[in-house]
Amino acid sequence: NAGVTQTPKFQVLKTGQSMTLQCAQDMNHEYMSWYRQDPGMGLRLIHYSVGAGITDQGEVPNGYNVSRSTTEDFPLRLLSAAPSQTSVYFCASNEQGNTGELFFGEGSRLTVL
Amino acid sequence: TQLLEQSPQFLSIQEGENLTVYCNSSSVFSSLQWYRQEPGEGPVLLVTVVTGGEVKKLKRLTFQFGDARKDSSLHITAAQPGDTGLYLCAGARAAGNKLTFGGGTRVLVKP
Repeated sequence: NAGVTQTPKFQVLKTGQSMTLQCAQDMNHEYMSWYRQDPGMGLRLIHYSVGAGITDQGEVPNGYNVSRSTTEDFPLRLLSAAPSQTSVYFCASNEQGNTGELFFGEGSRLTVL
Repeated sequence: TQLLEQSPQFLSIQEGENLTVYCNSSSVFSSLQWYRQEPGEGPVLLVTVVTGGEVKKLKRLTFQFGDARKDSSLHITAAQPGDTGLYLCAGARAAGNKLTFGGGTRVLVKP
């Protein structure tokens, strides 16, 4: 039972570098989303997708891009990393619309120096 | 200011004691979820409440949704070290709306 798989688990970047956080789910869920988690801030929505080919912005989208070419995959791209993007990133999927149970990956801890 | 305010931010208790975590807002929610997150893992859903005044029990955990659907509480009876974790509430303001998370309450149950 893989569920939601995120890679990498840890990454250190220098300011200005780019990278992609990968997310894959094997539950055939239509809805996928990316959150960042910072101390005392809970989870904040970055981008989300309601199906292949459809994406939209969440609360904190600046500095991040996403695409959804297949149902299974939802990568998150940082085009020019900044220290403010140091955080733990979680990918989630769900089947019952935006308010159904979220199934989360194990997280990707990103440090930007 | 967050839409959902959780209190307290941190709670440290001895095994066997009871605890209550609160999730408050000035907004009305159509549904509210509670998640628990352990270190190095993603949050896992504990319960969803949808009706004002609803009470749900999950073994030693009791969840309540306020009558006005603006607040919720999580009560743990006779806490155990296995209850240690970060508890997050998340609400949806309308059908189809996105979930908004509270800031979380970190619970430590000492043996």
